[in-house]
Amino acid sequence: RKEVEQDPGPFNVPEGATVAFNCTYSNSASQSFFWYRQDCRKEPKLLMSVYSSGNEDGRFTAQLNRASQYISLLIRDSKLSDSATYLCVADTGRRALTFGSGTRLQVQP
Amino acid sequence: EPEVTQTPSHQVTQMGQEVILRCVPISNHLYFYWYRQILGQKVEFLVSFYNNEISEKSEIFDDQFSVERPDGSNFTLKIRSTKLEDSAMYFCASSVAGRTDTQYFGPGTRLTVL
Repeated sequence: RKEVEQDPGPFNVPEGATVAFNCTYSNSASQSFFWYRQDCRKEPKLLMSVYSSGNEDGRFTAQLNRASQYISLLIRDSKLSDSATYLCVADTGRRALTFGSGTRLQVQP
Repeated sequence: EPEVTQTPSHQVTQMGQEVILRCVPISNHLYFYWYRQILGQKVEFLVSFYNNEISEKSEIFDDQFSVERPDGSNFTLKIRSTKLEDSAMYFCASSVAGRTDTQYFGPGTRLTVL
């Protein structure tokens, strides 16, 4: 079983749409969770950390459900510039990030 | 804004050759990492480094790999005898002490083994 599992997509959405990505993780020892964004052939960039209480950063909202080992990312009012691959990431506290394979988002005009 | 830098951006080598990939972490960061991403696949952790020694390493990081901090600024990854399957993008990252949510990634070195 993959440690961090994501739907690869692609998700093709029009500008202004709301889109949600889901992710599950298998290692119950995972302590910290993140969403990273990766543009084609570029480095991963931290989008936001994910907390049990949920957190919001502008148009982005992340949620963590430890009981279900499930993480989500919601993007509201999608922009063309949101087109990228979104990586769900877990850390067991060993300072080694475990990445999912990513979900590709394409926002269309 | 400070950033992690990596050189070269692209390295082409023959199978069996040694390569050294270089990274300059952010100056006040204390933890350093190498990750790799084979084309079309996920980012995979290789090794973390702190206080001049390896903190963690994955099963990918076998005896063919080594890391070094030869001076106060550079952090290197050496692959002793490259194989075709080592072809990948190699990302260096750094973070402040004990906080993984501040791992900043460099732009990567694309390694092509022929």
